[in-house]
Amino acid sequence: AQTVTQSQPEMSVQEAETVTLSCTYDTSESNYYLFWYKQPPSRQMILVIRQEAYKQQNATENRFSVNFQKAAKSFSLKISDSQLGDTAMYFCAFRGMNRDDKIIFGKGTRLHILP
Amino acid sequence: DSGVTQTPKHLITATGQRVTLRCSPRSGDLSVYWYQQSLDQGLQFLIQYYNGEERAKGNILERFSAQQFPDLHSELNLSSLELGDSALYFCASSPRGGIVDEQFFGPGTRLTVL
Repeated sequence: AQTVTQSQPEMSVQEAETVTLSCTYDTSESNYYLFWYKQPPSRQMILVIRQEAYKQQNATENRFSVNFQKAAKSFSLKISDSQLGDTAMYFCAFRGMNRDDKIIFGKGTRLHILP
Repeated sequence: DSGVTQTPKHLITATGQRVTLRCSPRSGDLSVYWYQQSLDQGLQFLIQYYNGEERAKGNILERFSAQQFPDLHSELNLSSLELGDSALYFCASSPRGGIVDEQFFGPGTRLTVL
């Protein structure tokens, strides 16, 4: 069964700094999708970025980028020039390619951006 | 605002009771997903519907059931409620329910079982 592990329950960084959130996963599949979701204090889940496993190029969305290491089964999220609005819970998630595959979330990392 | 609406926002009930949570997907989205977020279990996928038909099932208890209606709104029914069912229940929708589709989450329904 697939598992997703986020080893950092909580992190704090100063505004404008760069922060990296770790995520590792376990699967026997060769093709799959990985996601980072953000859950701010409002509780709404927002997709931050996604990566398709067969694409070697790391996904980037503005200040958010990933470091996808397929062999190591690692999928870290880097937030550059962090802003107060980045304060949130961040969830790493995995989904297989089959139509009935379910998405599996990690336990989350609580990120605090300090002024 | 994702365009997904969920009612009610909060629900407080007693053990043994039954409740219904409602979700309206974004306009044009055919697929609806239900998730449960609790302190001990984290965020878990419950079930997915596409155009009225069940497409995928996750960790949904037998006491829970869901359906998607012809107008594409969905309801999640929770019965014989236990204290451990207290959680935030999210609904999400996507255009076609495909793997590449982005899911848009609603604001959630906070269920408290006393």
